[in-house]
Amino acid sequence: GAGVSQSPSNKVTEKGKDVELRCDPISGHTALYWYRQSLGQGLEFLIYFQGNSAPDKSGLPSDRFSAERTGGSVSTLTIQRTQQEDSAVYLCASSLALVSGRGTDTQYFGPGTRLTVL
Amino acid sequence: AQKVTQAQTEISVVEKEDVTLDCVYETRDTTYYLFWYKQPPSGELVFLIRRNSFDEQNEISGRYSWNFQKSTSSFNFTITASQVVDSAVYFCALRDSNYQLIWGAGTKLIIKP
Repeated sequence: GAGVSQSPSNKVTEKGKDVELRCDPISGHTALYWYRQSLGQGLEFLIYFQGNSAPDKSGLPSDRFSAERTGGSVSTLTIQRTQQEDSAVYLCASSLALVSGRGTDTQYFGPGTRLTVL
Repeated sequence: AQKVTQAQTEISVVEKEDVTLDCVYETRDTTYYLFWYKQPPSGELVFLIRRNSFDEQNEISGRYSWNFQKSTSSFNFTITASQVVDSAVYFCALRDSNYQLIWGAGTKLIIKP
């Protein structure tokens, strides 16, 4: 079946502009996660969704970052007034469920969106 | 606090050598889950294995094997007879009572022909 897809694959924007990054999870996966990976670094957790709900937004770096998920499927990560330090690869993952049960919490990743802020 | 340490930043070996990637974790939870992911140069993270804290049985999958030891809080990954295609960054991650994964910094593995 289809894996996690993300669009765009690359985004170049000017400082101060808003950007929207999209994630389409694996069909039937109820949990969705956003991460950020800066060049040569590990992954930084941003936010997760269970269905359309995001119970914990404390991982978002600033109030310029927001995310939503509609219909229990597609999610959008929005960055307002982008800054150069926002440049990174934004990764989305999904899992069958949020809780563990025979591996239902295993996260499968999309190819990422490479964001460059000039 | 939860933490995952991959002390080896980069490892370089010649093809066909065996190589072990170390992962040490910290958590106060008694139930937790450990993962390994591979990130090849293409950038996409590929899931390799999931292990829960109450199953210390070691696992082998082809040339890959994992050694989970609760006594030392380690979950090491060994590649036997390495191949050039194994070149990638490998990440170890921990999930406990929270829903997010705590990631190690990754180990860059270079397999030379």
